Amino acid sequence: NAGVTQTPKFRILKIGQSMTLQCTQDMNHNYMYWYRQDPGMGLKLIYYSVGAGITDKGEVPNGYNVSRSTTEDFPLRLELAAPSQTSVYFCASRPQGTWDYEQYFGPGTRLTVT
Amino acid sequence: GENVEQHPSTLSVQEGDSAVIKCTYSDSASNYFPWYKQELGKRPQLIIDIRSNVGEKKDQRIAVTLNKTAKHFSLHITETQPEDSAVYFCAAPAGPGRRALTFGSGTRLQVQP
Repeated sequence: NAGVTQTPKFRILKIGQSMTLQCTQDMNHNYMYWYRQDPGMGLKLIYYSVGAGITDKGEVPNGYNVSRSTTEDFPLRLELAAPSQTSVYFCASRPQGTWDYEQYFGPGTRLTVT
Repeated sequence: GENVEQHPSTLSVQEGDSAVIKCTYSDSASNYFPWYKQELGKRPQLIIDIRSNVGEKKDQRIAVTLNKTAKHFSLHITETQPEDSAVYFCAAPAGPGRRALTFGSGTRLQVQP
C-alpha cells in the first residue's frame, strides 16, 4: 500500500490565484481530513469527510473548499489565494467506526502565497 | 467544543534523562488521547495512545498517563536518546460525533548528546 499520497509536494502561488491540493489513500478508509500547519505551530483542522458525498467544516474552513466523490480521493481547493494561506497542508485518513483509530498522514504539501 | 492545551512549548534534556509533556483537555466526555511525533520536515506519526478506561499505558521507553478527574494526560519518555528529538503533539476527540481530533500546540523536545 502507498498509504496516503499528496500532490504537489511544493507550490508557489501568487495572490488571487487558485489551486487544488490532491490527496489519495489506498487503504479503503472512509474518514479523511485536511489540516494546515503554520511554521512552528500545531495542526488545525480545515475540513473532514466521513464518506463519499459527506463533508464537514473544521476549525479553519474559510478560504477553502472540499469535495469527496470517491472513497480514495479528497481534494482541497483554494480559491483566491492569500498570504495567510502560506502553510504546510497535511491530508490524513483513518478507518470508519470507533473514534479511537490512528490517523495516517500524507507527506504534506508546502504552499507559499506571495 | 474540545480545547487541548499543551505544556511546555520547548523542552531540552540531556541524553539519558527523562522528559515529561503534559496536556489538559476541557470535555469531560473525551475518552481517547493519542500522542503524535513529528520529526523535522516529516509527517506526524502516532507513537502511543490511551483510552479512558485505563490510567497508564507503556511501550518500551514511552508511557502515557491519564487523570480523568483533573482532565490531564502526560507523555513520559525515559532514557532519552538524540533520535527522540522532535515535536510532540497531544490530541483529543472533537467535532460532532467526535469523529475528528483537536491537537495541542506541540512541544519541541531537544535531546542534547
